[in-house]
Amino acid sequence: AQKITQTQPGMFVQEKEAVTLDCTYDTSDPSYGLFWYKQPSSGEMIFLIYQGSYDQQNATEGRYSLNFQKARKSANLVISASQLGDSAMYFCAMRERGYSTLTFGKGTMLLVSP
Amino acid sequence: EAQVTQNPRYLITVTGKKLTVTCSQNMNHEYMSWYRQDPGLGLRQIYYSMNVEVTDKGDVPEGYKVSRKEKRNFPLILESPSPNQTSLYFCASRAQTGNFSSGANVLTFGAGSRLTVL
Repeated sequence: AQKITQTQPGMFVQEKEAVTLDCTYDTSDPSYGLFWYKQPSSGEMIFLIYQGSYDQQNATEGRYSLNFQKARKSANLVISASQLGDSAMYFCAMRERGYSTLTFGKGTMLLVSP
Repeated sequence: EAQVTQNPRYLITVTGKKLTVTCSQNMNHEYMSWYRQDPGLGLRQIYYSMNVEVTDKGDVPEGYKVSRKEKRNFPLILESPSPNQTSLYFCASRAQTGNFSSGANVLTFGAGSRLTVL
């Protein structure tokens, strides 16, 4: 079974609107970390935001926030006030305490239109 | 500037011609890893290293070798490349922190190496 599932291959949003990118995960380890990365067309992987499984509050970083619903095993990325520069591929990833590997989902391509 | 440096960034080669993709980090990180990215498949781990002289297989190690003789370097070796190894390759590193629940163990990526095997 996939450990990280991103069900939206592509998303479209208009500039200045908010958008939610879905991510569900599968683990039986109570201790884990969830990450979101952005990959623009230039190809580099840019770290956006991190949420630990024991963190009481949802993580926020500027216009990015993580809607963490532990019981549902979801960790959706919310981008507020989208900008043209947000057009990119977005990857959700997880690392479990017992493993050193960061496991990635297949990604969601976000296109922001003027 | 703290960074992970990969070379070459772009390479076109032919089947069977050995090649090495170098990776170097200047952050004194213990952990280093190689991923490949293919359309529709996301990033998949090839090999990783917890520290000098300690390496282990990831999810897709076949056809690759690695070594970790120095802390800063983690080269990826393709002894006999084949067309199915055409991909975008990323090297990454992070600190091996004891506090798992902090964000300190974020993986920092290199810029990527696009490899084409004809």
